[in-house]
Amino acid sequence: KAGVTQTPRYLIKTRGQQVTLSCSPISGHRSVSWYQQTPGQGLQFLFEYFSETQRNKGNFPGRFSGRQFSNSRSEMNVSTLELGDSALYLCASSLAMAGQGAPTNTGELFFGEGSRLTVL
Amino acid sequence: AQKITQTQPGMFVQEKEAVTLDCTYDTSDPSYGLFWYKQPSSGEMIFLIYQGSYDQQNATEGRYSLNFQKARKSANLVISASQLGDSAMYFCAMREGLVLSGTYKYIFGTGTRLKVLA
Repeated sequence: KAGVTQTPRYLIKTRGQQVTLSCSPISGHRSVSWYQQTPGQGLQFLFEYFSETQRNKGNFPGRFSGRQFSNSRSEMNVSTLELGDSALYLCASSLAMAGQGAPTNTGELFFGEGSRLTVL
Repeated sequence: AQKITQTQPGMFVQEKEAVTLDCTYDTSDPSYGLFWYKQPSSGEMIFLIYQGSYDQQNATEGRYSLNFQKARKSANLVISASQLGDSAMYFCAMREGLVLSGTYKYIFGTGTRLKVLA
């Protein structure tokens, strides 16, 4: 079973540019969430998508946005990049299925290897 | 206030010995889950072990066990017989809310960097 795939793995941008990151979840997983990881702040939750709808959102400015497609693949976009946006962006998928019985569903997150963004 | 606290920024352990990584949490939600993840230098977060708030027994997965003390709100990870490949960052995480309702969120601790010495 293929894992969570994130592209690109590494990228360098300059201030003011925008960036789009992609995440393909594990087949059958409908929930995709995004996290920003920095040495100073640790893992910070960005947002979560389920069936193409943003279901949960963290405390990030509107420059950070995302979407999910009908095949559960997700993209996140950061506009007007700032130096502080340099981070490892992690995508995670899970079997979370709202409204359906899943007694053994722990809601475990399956992570990709991340996209490391450097803003110069 | 921190909801997940990992007080050990770094730990050393001798190969083949056991090590305990501390994690305390804070929640008023009766239904929650506790997770431990390992992050090697490659960046990927690897799931290790899960403990549900209603689970009576401590979770175990191979060399990993979770010392769950609900009254003290602690969920320490115990790694037995440490191996060099265990050197990595370890994150404790909590899921608050119900998975089935969709109204849940994950909170991660700041991590503990474990170094296994040969």
